[in-house]
Amino acid sequence: AQSVTQLDSHVSVSEGTPVLLRCNYSSSYSPSLFWYVQHPNKGLQLLLKYTSAATLVKGINGFEAEFKKSETSFHLTKPSAHMSDAAEYFCVVSDQSNYQLIWGAGTKLIIKP
Amino acid sequence: DTGVSQDPRHKITKRGQNVTFRCDPISEHNRLYWYRQTLGQGPEFLTYFQNEAQLEKSRLLSDRFSAERPKGSFSTLEIQRTEQGDSAMYLCASSPTRAGANVLTFGAGSRLTVL
Repeated sequence: AQSVTQLDSHVSVSEGTPVLLRCNYSSSYSPSLFWYVQHPNKGLQLLLKYTSAATLVKGINGFEAEFKKSETSFHLTKPSAHMSDAAEYFCVVSDQSNYQLIWGAGTKLIIKP
Repeated sequence: DTGVSQDPRHKITKRGQNVTFRCDPISEHNRLYWYRQTLGQGPEFLTYFQNEAQLEKSRLLSDRFSAERPKGSFSTLEIQRTEQGDSAMYLCASSPTRAGANVLTFGAGSRLTVL
């Protein structure tokens, strides 16, 4: 069975400093992995997606994530945080049927001015 | 393409009443999904359609819940005899069938409050 663990429920960083949101997954096959972002009162938006091509995936708004099979991790990073990055971030793995997504519990990113 | 639309955005109802939510997916997308999200949690899968066929239902979808997609376009999610535990955000998403099938585009959600 697949599962996703987001290691931090809240992450607080100062504007202009790096962001690291941690995600570990469990899967019995080569998974597809995603990061979605949810701003308050807005729909979930896809940030980036990994599907067994390049292990370093670049997404929107300057975010990127690196797939590390040996560590079963898919951490999300950004070199310099912006106030508009404040939101909830979800790490997601796709199950073998390729239609059902397994969601982490989310990490709330707080940006301090 | 206006994305995935959901209506209403907010619904407040009394326990025991029935409610219905509507979702209009992206027109080219054959797959349509319903998820439920409670505060502080990630979305939970409820059901999914390929065109008009409902192909999978979660055990979370009790017999008070019913979803339809009669013409393979818009979908409705009805909750009968609502309970306070049904209070949540109900999310609809759509995706294409082939390439990028597991990349979902979400609507803004319908927030249900059961008093």
